[in-house]
Amino acid sequence: GENVEQHPSTLSVQEGDSAVIKCTYSDSASNYFPWYKQELGKGPQLIIDIRSNVGEKKDQRIAVTLNKTAKHFSLHITETQPEDSAVYFCAASEGNAGNMLTFGGGTRLMVKP
Amino acid sequence: GAVVSQHPSWVICKSGTSVKIECRSLDFQATTMFWYRQFPKQSLMLMATSNEGSKATYEQGVEKDKFLINHASLTLSTLTVTSAHPEDSSFYICSVPTSGGGFVQFFGPGTRLTVL
Repeated sequence: GENVEQHPSTLSVQEGDSAVIKCTYSDSASNYFPWYKQELGKGPQLIIDIRSNVGEKKDQRIAVTLNKTAKHFSLHITETQPEDSAVYFCAASEGNAGNMLTFGGGTRLMVKP
Repeated sequence: GAVVSQHPSWVICKSGTSVKIECRSLDFQATTMFWYRQFPKQSLMLMATSNEGSKATYEQGVEKDKFLINHASLTLSTLTVTSAHPEDSSFYICSVPTSGGGFVQFFGPGTRLTVL
C-alpha cells in the first residue's frame, strides 16, 4: 500500500517569512495530492491540491509543487501570518472517486508575530 | 466543495456505554463516506469506508462489532462505538468524497469522544 512521509514534524517561522513542508510517497500509481490545514479541535480543511498531470499549482500565498519522478511534493506558504499557525497534512491517493487517502504524519507550523 | 456536519461535536460517556456519532453531507449525495480516528498529536487513521445500501468496509485492526457503521441514506452515515472504554477516547472525523472528474474529500468538524 501507499506510504506517505512528511517533514518536518514541527516548523517555526517568523511572520512574513516563507514556510516549506515536504512529503514523499511510495506508490507510483498515486496521482492526486491534497494538502489539509487542521486547527486545534477542528476537522481538516482542504487548502490546495494537485494532480499528477501538472507540476505546480498556486493559490494566492499557497503553492504546491510535484515531482512525479522523485515521488515527492511540497507545500509552500509565502508571507506567513499568525493565522497560518496550524497542523498541515499532506496526503496521496489514486484519485478516483471512492479511493482512499493516505496521510502524512503532519507538520505543526508556528508563525511567530 | 461538500459541506459536512457532525453531531455531537463532543461527548463524554461512562465506560461500557454506547455512543452514536452522526455524519451528514449537507449539499452532496454521498454513496461513500469515510470514518477516521485521530489521537492527540497524531495523523488521521482511516477506520472504515461507509457504503450506502451495503456493509461498511473496515481497515485492518478495526473491530467491526465494536464500531458499527450504518449508511442510512445518501446524506447520513452513523458510527456507533459500542461498549466504549477509555482507550476509545479520540477525535472521530468523517469525510465525504466528491466525484465529477476528480477525487476530493471534505471533512466534517469532528467529534471529541471522552470515555471515563
